[in-house]
Amino acid sequence: GAVVSQHPSRVICKSGTSVKIECRSLDFQATTMFWYRQFPKQSLMLMATSNEGSKATYEQGVEKDKFLINHASLTLSTLTVTSAHPEDSSFYICSAGQGPHTIYFGEGSWLTVV
Amino acid sequence: DAKTTQPPSMDCAEGRAANLPCNHSTISGNEYVYWYRQIHSQGPQYIIHGLKNNETNEMASLIITEDRKSSTLILPHATLRDTAVYYCIVRVGYGGSQGNLIFGKGTKLSVKP
Repeated sequence: GAVVSQHPSRVICKSGTSVKIECRSLDFQATTMFWYRQFPKQSLMLMATSNEGSKATYEQGVEKDKFLINHASLTLSTLTVTSAHPEDSSFYICSAGQGPHTIYFGEGSWLTVV
Repeated sequence: DAKTTQPPSMDCAEGRAANLPCNHSTISGNEYVYWYRQIHSQGPQYIIHGLKNNETNEMASLIITEDRKSSTLILPHATLRDTAVYYCIVRVGYGGSQGNLIFGKGTKLSVKP
């Protein structure tokens, strides 16, 4: 079964509103989680590194005030897309590592902004 | 992290072996070869990894050349459910805080009946 779970799997929101996506590690604690974005027919692009108890680290070009990341516990990271616009519509995926060689990915969350 | 080169697409007949190549000519001595796959509209799935020796698990086999400049992922008996994009990633081994993976374009494997 899944060891990293995302919720919701699909969400539709109106332009200008905010939407939150949750990422949970189910069987292990993750001090660090990662958020990716994937547009249709493109590869995954790392957006940010979520650090438990401290600020997230964002990749170049990713607006930290638009994509708010909170990692309040060792098993939960949240990504909030604020003031969403249609161009934010994408597939958002989180991941967490367990041990030296294994990364688990969530099932992904489809965001559609209308 | 070393750069990898993969063919953009491959076809394979159902029940036959699928051999997916990856070139990583600039790989460093401490870098591992990882393979992940992404089935449409799902998150990536770990398949296998290796450093020098060939590796096998319940999903696949990984063959790494002696000079480590290339590798091949082998799915011994491909099924329709193996249709996916396969990513070859080369990097040093990671602990939890280093688990950010850089994805290339991968190889789209189409398994046909």
